[in-house]
Amino acid sequence: GAVVSQHPSRVICKSGTSVKIECRSLDFQATTMFWYRQFPKKSLMLMATSNEGSKATYEQGVEKDKFLINHASLTLSTLTVTSAHPEDSSFYICSARVGEGDSPLHFGNGTRLTVT
Amino acid sequence: QKEVEQNSGPLSVPEGAIASLNCTYSDRGSQSFFWYRQYSGKSPELIMFIYSNGDKEDGRFTAQLNKASQYVSLLIRDSQPSDSATYLCAALYNQGGKLIFGQGTELSVKP
Repeated sequence: GAVVSQHPSRVICKSGTSVKIECRSLDFQATTMFWYRQFPKKSLMLMATSNEGSKATYEQGVEKDKFLINHASLTLSTLTVTSAHPEDSSFYICSARVGEGDSPLHFGNGTRLTVT
Repeated sequence: QKEVEQNSGPLSVPEGAIASLNCTYSDRGSQSFFWYRQYSGKSPELIMFIYSNGDKEDGRFTAQLNKASQYVSLLIRDSQPSDSATYLCAALYNQGGKLIFGQGTELSVKP
């Protein structure tokens, strides 16, 4: 089946630094990828839609200058958390679908970010 | 505001019983629905998807969709302790192909 790879799985960084998370579609091309964020015991919150070759579309309330998304190829999207603060500590998960339309999303394994 | 609502639980059932998980959605324009299972500390994994009114069965799982009532459910037959997880209902909103999730229902299957 479709595989979405996410790296790193865990990262600890200091306040004020930036962290880059990579999301790759391993056996298919993804013109669109989706980035979610999840707090403990909470549901997945959609942060943004990453579009290959164009700007990402951010959900209301998500700071685009803080969460930089780049989708430079059909198999790679990156999320950079800039000037991280402890409140940015969360579980970040990327996803993509094979093909278009209403096919299911496949999720990466997620990245646990801890900002100290 | 497009919303997907689930009872957060926890829902506790004995091993071998049927677990029933429910979900409602607010946008009548949504046509596609998904159930994901998420173990603690892990990312969601797809269990089933359903697009048409009625029932869809896959092994021990049955998804049910009623678009008139804007209601989706997931039945798990012969529940096993390994089914203990959080179950997330999601609706696809055609604008941008976004998947919006409910808050999840925590299921506990007791041996």
